[in-house]
Amino acid sequence: GNSVTQMEGPVTLSEEAFLTINCTYTATGYPSLFWYVQYPGEGLQLLLKATKADDKGSNKGFEATYRKETTSFHLEKGSVQVSDSAVYFCALYSGAGSYQLTFGKGTKLSVIP
Amino acid sequence: NAGVTQTPKFQVLKTGQSMTLQCAQDMNHNSMYWYRQDPGMGLRLIYYSASEGTTDKGEVPNGYNVSRLNKREFSLRLESAAPSQTSVYFCASSGRGARGDTQYFGPGTRLTVL
Repeated sequence: GNSVTQMEGPVTLSEEAFLTINCTYTATGYPSLFWYVQYPGEGLQLLLKATKADDKGSNKGFEATYRKETTSFHLEKGSVQVSDSAVYFCALYSGAGSYQLTFGKGTKLSVIP
Repeated sequence: NAGVTQTPKFQVLKTGQSMTLQCAQDMNHNSMYWYRQDPGMGLRLIYYSASEGTTDKGEVPNGYNVSRLNKREFSLRLESAAPSQTSVYFCASSGRGARGDTQYFGPGTRLTVL
């Protein structure tokens, strides 16, 4: 079946530090890949997505590249801010007749001034 | 534009009580979903409705029922609540449920079953 594995948290960084959150996946076929972000007390919001191999999704300074050869979709940001403190979820959609998004367990990021 | 709305925001039930969680979307989306979020588990799909008039089980459907009332509304019912159903419940919707289609989430309902 499909699965998403992302790095365990929590992650604590100082403001302006470089961020990487690792995400690898197992899926049949050619899935679409997503990063969602959940700010405290809120629902999930789409951060970025990529629908085919070698695509790069980007938004708000965050980037992730769909690497089929390593089955990875790592999230990066060059300089984090306190406002980036949130829980980040990697997810995949495999299609193939299913409408289900498969989520990783989430990585909590705290950015300190 | 409200997006996806959920009621109530918080609820406390006793074991065996029943309740219905309400969800509505104003984006004219075809597909709607109910997830539960538990610590360290990510989000798991309970039920979904690919289009008006259809519903299907997701990963963890036991103990729940759903109704797609119309294109806008998708409710989740707990007939006899159990402590294992203590969780945060999220409703989501997407345009066509097609490949790469973005799911839009509501703010969640935090449910505690005593």
